[in-house]
Amino acid sequence: DTGVSQNPRHKITKRGQNVTFRCDPISEHNRLYWYRQTLGQGPEFLTYFQNEAQLEKSRLLSDRFSAERPKGSFSTLEIQRTEQGDSAMYLCASSLQRDSNYGYTFGSGTRLTVV
Amino acid sequence: AQSVTQLGSHVSVSEGALVLLRCNYSSSVPPYLFWYVQYPNQGLQLLLKYTTGATLVKGINGFEAEFKKSETSFHLTKPSAHMSDAAEYFCAVTRGGNNRLAFGKGNQVVVIP
Repeated sequence: DTGVSQNPRHKITKRGQNVTFRCDPISEHNRLYWYRQTLGQGPEFLTYFQNEAQLEKSRLLSDRFSAERPKGSFSTLEIQRTEQGDSAMYLCASSLQRDSNYGYTFGSGTRLTVV
Repeated sequence: AQSVTQLGSHVSVSEGALVLLRCNYSSSVPPYLFWYVQYPNQGLQLLLKYTTGATLVKGINGFEAEFKKSETSFHLTKPSAHMSDAAEYFCAVTRGGNNRLAFGKGNQVVVIP
């Protein structure tokens, strides 16, 4: 068990470019979550998957954001036409469905800076 | 909807002194409560959690928290602060059947030698 892995750790991009982040959850975990954390704030829920199905999306997830989890394994989060307000830490977490009310395992995050 | 309030974004504590971080929640149903710690440029690590049963829960690194339903609180304490406790601490709440964790704004703890 290597924990939740996120890549890249850091990403600097120019405004208007597209970026994609990857999350590899703990292998037996069927639930996967994305959160966004801006400076001085706690993490905010973006979306979550059970296996390959995206079951819930926050209103924070505008139409420029898309997340996928093909085959119920790793997940990608894409942001199109990035804006400076997208600068944040993007956190991925995973859990077993039966344990989802008992806390998740978080990855180290991807820090996005839009210049 | 559930929410969490953490007062005082920055908390300074002397090495060896009591660490006390306050957390109050609002939830329409019995909540599950969590404290997470975040070190610089890292993800969140679970310190402790309350789900059901004993209201005083013990976590890692000598931390503990007590669930007080009458006060809607889940304050985090550690009797003696260590330099390695310098980090950001987040209180979070979820409720049975709802998978979202709602986080407070966090407390940045600074330990003074």
